[in-house]
Amino acid sequence: AQTVTQSQPEMSVQEAETVTLSCTYDTSESDYYLFWYKQPPSRQMILVIRQEAYKQQNATENRFSVNFQKAAKSFSLKISDSQLGDAAMYFCAYRSAYPSGAGSYQLTFGKGTKLSVIP
Amino acid sequence: DVKVTQSSRYLVKRTGEKVFLECVQDMDHENMFWYRQDPGLGLRLIYFSYDVKMKEKGDIPEGYSVSREKKERFSLILESASTNQTSMYLCASNVGGTYYEQYFGPGTRLTVT
Repeated sequence: AQTVTQSQPEMSVQEAETVTLSCTYDTSESDYYLFWYKQPPSRQMILVIRQEAYKQQNATENRFSVNFQKAAKSFSLKISDSQLGDAAMYFCAYRSAYPSGAGSYQLTFGKGTKLSVIP
Repeated sequence: DVKVTQSSRYLVKRTGEKVFLECVQDMDHENMFWYRQDPGLGLRLIYFSYDVKMKEKGDIPEGYSVSREKKERFSLILESASTNQTSMYLCASNVGGTYYEQYFGPGTRLTVT
């Protein structure tokens, strides 16, 4: 079974600064997908960024980028120019490229990192 | 925009009550999921459904059952609620396929007293 580890339960960053959230995972599979989800306080969880394991190029979405190290099984999220609206719980998630059970693609989540942004 | 809605944001029930949590999605998604979210534990999958009337157990199905009679609706049932089922429950859905993201509802915070 796959596991996802987020070693930083809480982090803080000054507004306009850069912060990196860590995520490591354990798998014996070669094809998979990795995700970062954001859950703002009392709001719905939304996808921040997605990385396909077969792609060597790191994914970027505006101020959000990842550092994907496949050999090290590491998938960190970098937030540049942090804004107050970035304050949230961030979850790293793993999904196999192959269906499990009856054909659904289950996500395995880490325990989350609570990010605070200091004005 | 994809919309996933859950019937209640907050719910308070007594021990032993039968509890229904409802989830509806409006994008004709094949897959629907129920997660439980607890502080320090992240999200854990309870059940998922890949089609009408089809379901699969997730990582923590004990004490729960589900129902999917229509494609857009997925219900989580606590047959006899217990205090250790006090938690945040999140519903999600997706198209089904290799890389499609899951879309989440706002969550139901259930308290069992």
